[in-house]
Amino acid sequence: SQQGEEDPQALSIQEGENATMNCSYKTSINNLQWYRQNSGRGLVHLILIRSNEREKHSGRLRVTLDTSKKSSSLLITASRAADTASYFCATDAYNNNDMRFGAGTRLTVKP
Amino acid sequence: DAGITQSPRYKITETGRQVTLMCHQTWSHSYMFWYRQDLGHGLRLIYYSAAADITDKGEVPDGYVVSRSKTENFPLTLESATRSQTSVYFCASASMDGYTFGSGTRLTVV
Repeated sequence: SQQGEEDPQALSIQEGENATMNCSYKTSINNLQWYRQNSGRGLVHLILIRSNEREKHSGRLRVTLDTSKKSSSLLITASRAADTASYFCATDAYNNNDMRFGAGTRLTVKP
Repeated sequence: DAGITQSPRYKITETGRQVTLMCHQTWSHSYMFWYRQDLGHGLRLIYYSAAADITDKGEVPDGYVVSRSKTENFPLTLESATRSQTSVYFCASASMDGYTFGSGTRLTVV
């Protein structure tokens, strides 16, 4: 069963706008990760946030984690056409090395 | 080149045939994984391995077999392929910073 559920399923924005994607999960976790997948390619790791962290930044990416609500958000600021991809969250609820992925959010950034 | 490589990139096979998907990593990561990706399901874990000669079932293991005789290789075998196994298969290895994925194998069972 899927552990992470991304929302929305699809998001379309203009270049320069911010994009926010959300992830909800069901059970306690040690860490949550976000990945990007360009069409026809493998997933690329973006950022890992541990359960004792509330916010993490990496370049134009900002990830928050609310363990009380069992949710996380990924914010991409000043989006670019190259950010067009699917974004997945993954959690380690089952064990530290059994990550479960959601179905992803398909982001389209229009030039 | 360092990284994780999958082969073949594309494969078409007939129902009932045995097919093996290869995965090779150059980092000596202990943990390796096989996922399948289907529309509407995201990625689902098939099998994973904690080390050479140690493997465990994931979420959807039926119809698949894995082996890990060497740390760097983690082949996935479909013993008797079915149409429902048509999918994109991804291999991954784990480090402290997260997973690294291969480019995937697109398998079509006809």
